[in-house]
Amino acid sequence: GQNIDQPTEMTATEGAIVQINCTYQTSGFNGLFWYQQHAGEAPTFLSYNVLDGLEEKGRFSSFLSRSKGYSYLLLKELQMKDSASYLCAVRDSNYQLIWGAGTKLIIKP
Amino acid sequence: IAGITQAPTSQILAAGRRMTLRCTQDMRHNAMYWYRQDLGLGLRLIHYSNTAGTTGKGEVPDGYSVSRANTDDFPLTLASAVPSQTSVYFCASSESPGAQETQYFGPGTRLLVL
Repeated sequence: GQNIDQPTEMTATEGAIVQINCTYQTSGFNGLFWYQQHAGEAPTFLSYNVLDGLEEKGRFSSFLSRSKGYSYLLLKELQMKDSASYLCAVRDSNYQLIWGAGTKLIIKP
Repeated sequence: IAGITQAPTSQILAAGRRMTLRCTQDMRHNAMYWYRQDLGLGLRLIHYSNTAGTTGKGEVPDGYSVSRANTDDFPLTLASAVPSQTSVYFCASSESPGAQETQYFGPGTRLLVL
């Protein structure tokens, strides 16, 4: 079966750095996405990785290792507005997105 | 530009009733999707459409039907609602169904089936 694993919840302090991990087992791999979802709102796109390595975009970076079936999202200089759920999704061999359950990130002052 | 709109925002529905959730996008995207989101589970694909006039089944299609008569609209119909269909429903679209295409989501419809 296909499986995406992420921690259910994480807590971090404002101004700090947090790393959210995602491991996956899917039938085929055609890219990995990270989305942000604030409570009661729609998911919004953060990043896309298809090759191994780090993609940096401002305070957010995403890393991929295809051989390990592993990705992480790194958030730097945390702000209160970063409190949200972070969703990892993998595009499989049928080009469908398989979604993790999401990691709820709580930022404390 | 509105992006993707969904209607209604929320609905309480009696079991056995028929219900259509509406989704409209103004980005001229070819591909559209319907997901449901339940607590503790990832988004699950119900149905999708790679282009107007075509549809396909996702991971959890039973009890749902869709149509794609034109590029902009992608309604989702529950023929006879059951309590297990209580969920938040998101419509999404992407420029094409390709590997690197980002999906853009509507605001969601919160459905409670009693």
